[in-house]
Amino acid sequence: SQQGEEDPQALSIQEGENATMNCSYKTSINNLQWYRQNSGRGLVHLILIRSNEREKHSGRLRVTLDTSKKSSSLLITASRAADTASYFCATASSNSGYSTLTFGKGTMLLVSP
Amino acid sequence: DAGITQSPRHKVTETGTPVTLRCHQTENHRYMYWYRQDPGHGLRLIHYSYGVKDTDKGEVSDGYSVSRSKTEDFLLTLESATSSQTSVYFCAISESTGAGYEQYFGPGTRLTVT
Repeated sequence: SQQGEEDPQALSIQEGENATMNCSYKTSINNLQWYRQNSGRGLVHLILIRSNEREKHSGRLRVTLDTSKKSSSLLITASRAADTASYFCATASSNSGYSTLTFGKGTMLLVSP
Repeated sequence: DAGITQSPRHKVTETGTPVTLRCHQTENHRYMYWYRQDPGHGLRLIHYSYGVKDTDKGEVSDGYSVSRSKTEDFLLTLESATSSQTSVYFCAISESTGAGYEQYFGPGTRLTVT
């Protein structure tokens, strides 16, 4: 079963606006990661937040993590057309001593010029 | 794509035939993973490897087997392909697991089983 679930499934905004995507999960985690996938390509890692962190920034990206609510959000500020992609959250949990990632179904972001 | 190649990139095969997909890395990372991506399901883990000859099952391992005889190569085999295995397959690698390591993904293999 999927650990992470993104919301919304699709988001359409204009260039310059901010985009916020949310992720909810069900069980305890070691860390939560966000990935980006352009159409027809592999996933690219964006940012990782550990379970003991509440907020993290990377360029125009801001990620928050609320372990009490089992949720995370990804904020992209001042969006650009090039940000058009699918965004996935992935939760890391230990299985037999090895941590594997469980991905959500993703949010499709469309940024119009 | 972080020194990860997948072959073939596209394949069309018939139901019942065996298929092997190859993932090759030049990063010398210990951990390798195979995922499938389907509309409405996101990415799901098929198998992973935590070292040469060390592998384990993921969420959707039925109908798939893997082998890793060298650090750089991780093979995914469909012993007898079925139409339900039509999908895009991604290989990923990571330096380690645990609290601080991201995965790097290959470009994907689009497999169609007719």
